[in-house]
Amino acid sequence: AQSVTQLGSHVSVSEGALVLLRCNYSSSVPPYLFWYVQYPNQGLQLLLKYTTGATLVKGINGFEAEFKKSETSFHLTKPSAHMSDAAEYFCAVRGINQGGKLIFGQGTELSVKP
Amino acid sequence: ETGVTQTPRHLVMGMTNKKSLKCEQHLGHNAMYWYKQSAKKPLELMFVYSLEERVENNSVPSRFSPECPNSSHLFLHLHTLQPEDSALYLCASSQGGGGNYGYTFGSGTRLTVV
Repeated sequence: AQSVTQLGSHVSVSEGALVLLRCNYSSSVPPYLFWYVQYPNQGLQLLLKYTTGATLVKGINGFEAEFKKSETSFHLTKPSAHMSDAAEYFCAVRGINQGGKLIFGQGTELSVKP
Repeated sequence: ETGVTQTPRHLVMGMTNKKSLKCEQHLGHNAMYWYKQSAKKPLELMFVYSLEERVENNSVPSRFSPECPNSSHLFLHLHTLQPEDSALYLCASSQGGGGNYGYTFGSGTRLTVV
């Protein structure tokens, strides 16, 4: 079965520092992978996705993620954190049952210190 | 109007009340979902509708009753709720299982049961 593990339920960085949010997946088929962001009292918004092709994927707001098959990872990065990046981030993988439903990780809350 | 719209944004109800949450999508998607998001807990998938038929019900108590009258509308009927049902309820839609393109989420309904 497909699953997603996000390492660290809470990450804190200083403004201008590198953001690294970790996601490892388990999949018995080539994975489709997603990162979503959720601002307080809002729904989830798609940041970026990997389906096929280039393993380095660029998303909105300066975020990017790299698919590493050998490490079964899809970590999210941003070179320089901004106060507006403070939010909850969810990694997800496509399931192979029930029509390819998304399987979400438990989320990582990102705090940005001035 | 585009995207996924949820109404109301906020709802306070007593344990003996009956209320309904509404979700509407104008994306031409054929699958819709209800999620529950409680504080400090992972996203909980409640119901999945595909082509207006319920295809998944994740052991949700009967006090939650979904309805999908057509591919653009999804309702969650609530009655005799408990305080622990207080949460953010998110609606999402997708084309097919969502595994290729991801889900589009609404902004959610913040429900408080008193």
